[in-house]
Amino acid sequence: GESVGLHLPTLSVQEGDNSIINCAYSNSASDYFIWYKQESGKGPQFIIDIRSNMDKRQGQRVTVLLNKTVKHLSLQIAATQPGDSAVYFCAENKSGGTALIFGKGTTLSVSS
Amino acid sequence: DAGVTQSPTHLIKTRGQQVTLRCSPKSGHDTVSWYQQALGQGPQFIFQYYEEEERQRGNFPDRFSGHQFPNYSSELNVNALLLGDSALYLCASSPPGLEGGYTFGSGTRLTVV
Repeated sequence: GESVGLHLPTLSVQEGDNSIINCAYSNSASDYFIWYKQESGKGPQFIIDIRSNMDKRQGQRVTVLLNKTVKHLSLQIAATQPGDSAVYFCAENKSGGTALIFGKGTTLSVSS
Repeated sequence: DAGVTQSPTHLIKTRGQQVTLRCSPKSGHDTVSWYQQALGQGPQFIFQYYEEEERQRGNFPDRFSGHQFPNYSSELNVNALLLGDSALYLCASSPPGLEGGYTFGSGTRLTVV
């Protein structure tokens, strides 16, 4: 069968490498997806979002890919920096709904 | 432009007590949601307030209640505290139509002893 990226609770990379963080979402009716970065002692910080009518969206050094067929979301960080070290969460929201449903976080550690 | 402001930042309460947490939304935002984040877990939705009414509620007991004021600020109240209520409580605000997404505060760290 098709191989999709598996969720990893931790990811360690070297400074300058590209990082890929994966997330499986739960609700087929979800149509809005957000990636958040959470540093120790802080609340989640918005990174990038994507709606279900798109399969790719790019920001500054970050790209989000959405595969609705397998309900999979990924966050790509280019040229990862030590300041990118944090816990990353994906979140989904159903159109017309109000609650964000968070996935399992991935702790990204960047060594220089 | 101040983002979402929560108070207090830390709080220690005894089992059985009651607690009130406060949130001021980002300027221009009219909707406030509350989340509970246990250590090592993702945030879990408690409820959302819009136009001073609870619009949606997550899977939390009635011990958790809230309020939204005319200036859009909000309170989260938890009665009869349990040890398991120890967590980071996050407030998130969002603008009309949810364009621009949700902005989170830094949270209130509640410890129940």
